[in-house]
Amino acid sequence: GAVVSQHPSRVICKSGTSVKIECRSLDFQATTMFWYRQFPKKSLMLMATSNEGSKATYEQGVEKDKFLINHASLTLSTLTVTSAHPEDSSFYICSAKQGAGVNTEAFFGQGTRLTVV
Amino acid sequence: AQTVTQSQPEMSVQEAETVTLSCTYDTSENNYYLFWYKQPPSRQMILVIRQEAYKQQNATENRFSVNFQKAAKSFSLKISDSQLGDTAMYFCALNEGKLIFGQGTELSVKP
Repeated sequence: GAVVSQHPSRVICKSGTSVKIECRSLDFQATTMFWYRQFPKKSLMLMATSNEGSKATYEQGVEKDKFLINHASLTLSTLTVTSAHPEDSSFYICSAKQGAGVNTEAFFGQGTRLTVV
Repeated sequence: AQTVTQSQPEMSVQEAETVTLSCTYDTSENNYYLFWYKQPPSRQMILVIRQEAYKQQNATENRFSVNFQKAAKSFSLKISDSQLGDTAMYFCALNEGKLIFGQGTELSVKP
């Protein structure tokens, strides 16, 4: 299957600072990328959908000014958690797919564990 | 809005036995796909099996098979000959453009 690389795998930041997470499709062009948040032993909650070259579509309840998503190229999307607070600590996962069809498989990154202290 | 429900937070099975994980969903679309994903302790999401809504035949991948009941909006996963490596969180997911996940079932395979 295709490879999606997410970086960093683990990050600790101080409260009030911003942190950027990268999601790269290594061997295919990702027209659509998704960002999820997962709490321990809980489901993956979709935060936003991003299409290359356009603004991300955020799910209801997700603060777009706090979670900045950029999908500037067909192989890279970034999630920036701005002014992070301890409640933002979580596991963040990206996924990428080539094409928008419902039959297109989504490939997942390894995830990023964010701890805000 | 689409929803996916997994009503079994935890399940356990003896090695070599068969276990079935349940999933129900709701959607107003006719064209969609259903998936089962496995998330082991490494937390890497792994696709187990997929089912196209238009296909009546249940999907099968080696020891994994599904029971897809479209009218009932039910999509269960059967794991045969369970192995220790099957221990993981299992998520049912619905794709009608974006992938929506159920709450997950934590499966433990006991020796």
